[in-house]
Amino acid sequence: DAGVIQSPRHEVTEMGQEVTLRCKPISGHNSLFWYRQTMMRGLELLIYFNNNVPIDDSGMPEDRFSAKMPNASFSTLKIQPSEPRDSAVYFCASSLVWSREAGNTIYFGEGSWLTVV
Amino acid sequence: KNQVEQSPQSLIILEGKNCTLQCNYTVSPFSNLRWYKQDTGRGPVSLTIMTFSENTKSNGRYTATLDADTKQSSLHITASQLSDSASYICGTPTDSWGKLQFGAGTQVVVTP
Repeated sequence: DAGVIQSPRHEVTEMGQEVTLRCKPISGHNSLFWYRQTMMRGLELLIYFNNNVPIDDSGMPEDRFSAKMPNASFSTLKIQPSEPRDSAVYFCASSLVWSREAGNTIYFGEGSWLTVV
Repeated sequence: KNQVEQSPQSLIILEGKNCTLQCNYTVSPFSNLRWYKQDTGRGPVSLTIMTFSENTKSNGRYTATLDADTKQSSLHITASQLSDSASYICGTPTDSWGKLQFGAGTQVVVTP
């Protein structure tokens, strides 16, 4: 099992540039999550999808952030234009048939380390 | 407001010793609580998931406890090893779709 695959692993970009982060969830999983992690705020949920449909994007910080899931095996998180305060680690995670009661395991990717200078 | 708080913020322990990490939550209604281990530069990896009916659950040298009445959970590491050096994060869902609220984590350093 390849796990959740994210790319790029590291990106350094200049302020104002567009950044696109990519995610391939575990095959068969139907829930996908985008998290951001910083020292100050820890892990924060940005947006999540169920069966490719966005369920809650209330964690997306600004209109500069957008996410798509065109099919069950691919999702993108885009920042345009990027700002230095967007520097963080962005994690994609996936889960199979999420159930609040059963609490199925959420599997995280290795993260995309973004630095905006 | 749904909150998850962890303590201590960090701790240093000698190899072979035990330690206990704490997680307090105010999320309601409660369904389950998760502990994750995050090595430096890596993504979080699930250690345990505890539902409201479970009091104790073990995963190797890791043992999690849950008191749903007091809304507290603990993670006990037995006979620590250098590879246990990591950040340990607890989290709990805040809705039916899987929106997890995480604590800030406890940074554990195991020294020889």
